[in-house]
Amino acid sequence: DSGVTQTPKHLITATGQRVTLRCSPRSGDLSVYWYQQSLDQGLQFLIHYYNGEERAKGNILERFSAQQFPDLHSELNLSSLELGDSALYFCASSGARGRGTQYFGPGTRLLVL
Amino acid sequence: GESVGLHLPTLSVQEGDNSIINCAYSNSASDYFIWYKQESGKGPQFIIDIRSNMDKRQGQRVTVLLNKTVKHLSLQIAATQPGDSAVYFCAEVNNDMRFGAGTRLTVKP
Repeated sequence: DSGVTQTPKHLITATGQRVTLRCSPRSGDLSVYWYQQSLDQGLQFLIHYYNGEERAKGNILERFSAQQFPDLHSELNLSSLELGDSALYFCASSGARGRGTQYFGPGTRLLVL
Repeated sequence: GESVGLHLPTLSVQEGDNSIINCAYSNSASDYFIWYKQESGKGPQFIIDIRSNMDKRQGQRVTVLLNKTVKHLSLQIAATQPGDSAVYFCAEVNNDMRFGAGTRLTVKP
């Protein structure tokens, strides 16, 4: 158990819908990272927050957004969902501002029908 | 080794043998690297890391080798066990973390 929690574990929705994925980092970690893992793209970095502020953006679509709250939990919002958004979404946390070992949560499996 | 798309490299070894998993990275300025293990249905799990001022680092049953000249990392697992069966990713860390496509290790009893 990495200490990172993610909810929900599974999510099934329809195209055009909007969903919110939630992540709670390890106790004391200020950094939260979001990743998408699909069969044809591997593990792709989406976005990084440190202590409530956005630090880095990766391959994140404009339809996706994230935020980190004062209690350090984070939410990833996915809107206007498409079939190709079906994937595993992982959250990771670390104690470092930008570099350092990241500890991954169990992921949320999203299926868009 | 590295690959893209659906063609995930596969390494099959006999229980008790040593395994070597390879990874090529892209950014010659990267100075920190991590190996992760991902079991089916779970998130990636940290195994071992190495900084670019080292060319070798050992953990428990695992060794990471770094060759900066050719931008190559390898993960060696000694006395491979069935529980080592998983997908292994290397990651290079800069302002973000970029993962290789992974290698699937299968251990035959």
